Amino acid sequence: GENVEQHPSTLSVQEGDSAVIKCTYSDSASNYFPWYKQELGKRPQLIIDIRSNVGEKKDQRIAVTLNKTAKHFSLHITETQPEDSAVYFCAPGGFGNEKLTFGTGTRLTIIP
Amino acid sequence: DVKVTQSSRYLVKRTGEKVFLECVQDMDHENMFWYRQDPGLGLRLIYFSYDVKMKEKGDIPEGYSVSREKKERFSLILESASTNQTSMYLCASNSPNTGELFFGEGSRLTVL
Repeated sequence: GENVEQHPSTLSVQEGDSAVIKCTYSDSASNYFPWYKQELGKRPQLIIDIRSNVGEKKDQRIAVTLNKTAKHFSLHITETQPEDSAVYFCAPGGFGNEKLTFGTGTRLTIIP
Repeated sequence: DVKVTQSSRYLVKRTGEKVFLECVQDMDHENMFWYRQDPGLGLRLIYFSYDVKMKEKGDIPEGYSVSREKKERFSLILESASTNQTSMYLCASNSPNTGELFFGEGSRLTVL
């Protein structure tokens, strides 16, 4: 099965600075790489995803980069804001009828 | 707007009791999943289903079973609840054409 490691487990960033979270996976067959955000007391929600035929994807202040050779992908948040404070999960796996394996999460705190 | 509804937000049960957690989705999704979420462990997959009456074991199926008699409903069953099953349980669904998982609000189960 997929072995997923996510680092760091906690991250504190000054408002306006950037945050980077890294996810390492083991299954070379994985072809789908999403990031989920879970605010306190709420359900996880997809914020960005990437397929294996693309190296980078950006959506406003968030971006995901993929290195398939090294089997890791990263979430980048620029110009951080207080509402970015949450737990972030990576969940690499297959696309379609395939299960996703979630990382253990990164608690991001934005310091005003 | 996609809606995944879990029948109970909070439950308290005694050791040995049978527990049913119900999940209903209204988007005609083929795939449904049950995860448990524990601090520091992320989301771990218990069972999933690609179609009515079909089920597949996830990473931690021991002590659980599932039922999918209708496309929109996926039930998680704890035949004999134990204290180590105290956790937050999250149901999710998606379509094989899109990777995004849609989560319910979660059911927090306490087993005394």
